[in-house]
Amino acid sequence: EAQVTQNPRYLITVTGKKLTVTCSQNMNHEYMSWYRQDPGLGLRQIYYSMNVEVTDKGDVPEGYKVSRKEKRNFPLILESPSPNQTSLYFCASSPPGYGGYTFGSGTRLTVV
Amino acid sequence: GENVEQHPSTLSVQEGDSAVIKCTYSDSASNYFPWYKQELGKGPQLIIDIRSNVGEKKDQRIAVTLNKTAKHFSLHITETQPEDSAVYFCAASHALDYKLSFGAGTTVTVRA
Repeated sequence: EAQVTQNPRYLITVTGKKLTVTCSQNMNHEYMSWYRQDPGLGLRQIYYSMNVEVTDKGDVPEGYKVSRKEKRNFPLILESPSPNQTSLYFCASSPPGYGGYTFGSGTRLTVV
Repeated sequence: GENVEQHPSTLSVQEGDSAVIKCTYSDSASNYFPWYKQELGKGPQLIIDIRSNVGEKKDQRIAVTLNKTAKHFSLHITETQPEDSAVYFCAASHALDYKLSFGAGTTVTVRA
């Protein structure tokens, strides 16, 4: 089944404790992206990657890091999480051009 | 960068009636406009999209229209059913860079 898999689905952590949210896709897509979803703000892009070793900042990149060492994986790293990073996070992938993104099921992160 | 505005934020319709969601975009270079449906606890799912060289596209009970001159596009759902209840997001991008910008979302409730 074609899908984007994120882990974990739920995560509660403390301020300052480094964490990684994993994302993997099995569709051989070039494009991958991370979004955060907050009430009333819709989906805001954190980082995106157009191919292996090619990443770029989205609209809200502060406090996040990403890497794209393999085509299928695009982990999101929070080096020192803060409470304002409490949110629902989505990973997505797409072929280039007019393909449309396929989204993962989301990771609900709470930073206390 | 691209700015997408979406209205209304909530929409309640009687089963069988039509629902219309409207979006505007700011970047005249945008040429790809997808619509996503998000059900509770799930990631957004692409339901229909339109390219800038097309003014209208229809898929069963769902249709999208695009007015490039006015920079706005709309989603029309006819003969609404309870399973149409969800959050709907419009988005805009240029297909070459695929930095997808989303509207804030519309929560649609279909009353039985």
